[in-house]
Amino acid sequence: QVQLVQSGAEVKKPGASVRVSCRASGYTFSGHSIHWVRQAPGQGLEWMGWLNPNNGDTNYAQKFQGRVTMTRDTSIRTAYMEVSSLRSDDTAVYYCGRGTFEYWGQGTLVTVSS
Amino acid sequence: DIVMTQTPLSLSVTPGQPASISCKSSQSLLHSDGKTFLYWYLQKPGQSPQLLIYEVSNRFSGVPDRFSGSGSGTDFTLKISRVEAEDVGVYYCMQNIQLPRTFGGGTKVEIK
Repeated sequence: QVQLVQSGAEVKKPGASVRVSCRASGYTFSGHSIHWVRQAPGQGLEWMGWLNPNNGDTNYAQKFQGRVTMTRDTSIRTAYMEVSSLRSDDTAVYYCGRGTFEYWGQGTLVTVSS
Repeated sequence: DIVMTQTPLSLSVTPGQPASISCKSSQSLLHSDGKTFLYWYLQKPGQSPQLLIYEVSNRFSGVPDRFSGSGSGTDFTLKISRVEAEDVGVYYCMQNIQLPRTFGGGTKVEIK
């Protein structure tokens, strides 16, 4: 069965960077895009960008351009999302999703606090 | 960016009664290939969102048939024919016709 398993919760200080991983199984990794969405506490869903695992192409929401980097390692079927220059308002649960979000990761809580 | 507007913000429903959620997009979601790229998701408390409906009216695998989607162009509706306790959570619509993908603000459904 299709599964997306994300890395564990992180606590970071303002100005630091965080990298969240998303390991895929149960399907051909290079055959489906991986998207990232975040959800601040008590808020809705915010799309951050997407990655083509086949060739590494990316597209980021304008809000995150210059601060977000999405990469992948096809040998271990894993996608990564790194956010730099963290601020307190980056505190959120970060989700990866396949394609049209027919499958989601379990979410990774990133807390930014001094 | 396409703006997705959901109404109502919240809904309190008696078990067994129907419920309806509206989603309007600021631009048509009809693609030149004839498909309309409107999706519905449910986020149950403490869980990741899950896909309910794709391309306006197609139920995803395992989704009960009490859920149905309809609409066209810029105006869409999700209906639950008979709400059950397990249907509580926040419902989101999303457009998939252009980047950036955008979600509605969500509709919280609770049981009376």
